[in-house]
Amino acid sequence: NAGVMQNPRHLVRRRGQEARLRCSPMKGHSHVYWYRQLPEEGLKFMVYLQKENIIDESGMPKERFSAEFPKEGPSILRIQQVVRGDSAAYFCASSPRGQGYEQYFGPGTRLTVT
Amino acid sequence: DAKTTQPNSMESNEEEPVHLPCNHSTISGTDYIHWYRQLPSQGPEYVIHGLTSNVNNRMASLAIAEDRKSSTLILHRATLRDAAVYYCILGSSNTGKLIFGQGTTLQVKP
Repeated sequence: NAGVMQNPRHLVRRRGQEARLRCSPMKGHSHVYWYRQLPEEGLKFMVYLQKENIIDESGMPKERFSAEFPKEGPSILRIQQVVRGDSAAYFCASSPRGQGYEQYFGPGTRLTVT
Repeated sequence: DAKTTQPNSMESNEEEPVHLPCNHSTISGTDYIHWYRQLPSQGPEYVIHGLTSNVNNRMASLAIAEDRKSSTLILHRATLRDAAVYYCILGSSNTGKLIFGQGTTLQVKP
């Protein structure tokens, strides 16, 4: 059973461009979480999605960030008009069920904004 | 969100047991106790979780105090590959999100 897959693993964007980060959950998992780890800081929750629904987006910045998890295909975290402060490692995790269950993390996408 | 308190760092010798403590005095009745670890330049890795009873799996054991205000992650024989940041997290059954603190950086000496 393949683990959580994220691509790209490394992404370089210039200020003002868009970044699209993809996450394919483990087979059979319908719950996806996104976390961000800024340089020298801890992991911060961003958003929790279940197929076609956003369950909790309390950690998402109010502007420029959006996430989706369509019925078919990977979950997408989209950052519009990137700024240098968006440079971070973005991790996706999936779970077979929601609240209270273990989450399995992907290897992350390291975004660098120049 | 209920908080946890962990020592910033700990050291262990290879092949010796390691006991990583965590205090969570404000835990609520529906909070699960989760442990994750993060090796350098990798994503977090699930280690173990429990609610009230002690738990064992192939990676570790989780000992939960009777009042649930503290817990201990036990690595039975530390290896160099166990050097990582270990996070103790309270996962609410009401939400799915994990709130990561600073964790404990474990160093394993050969």
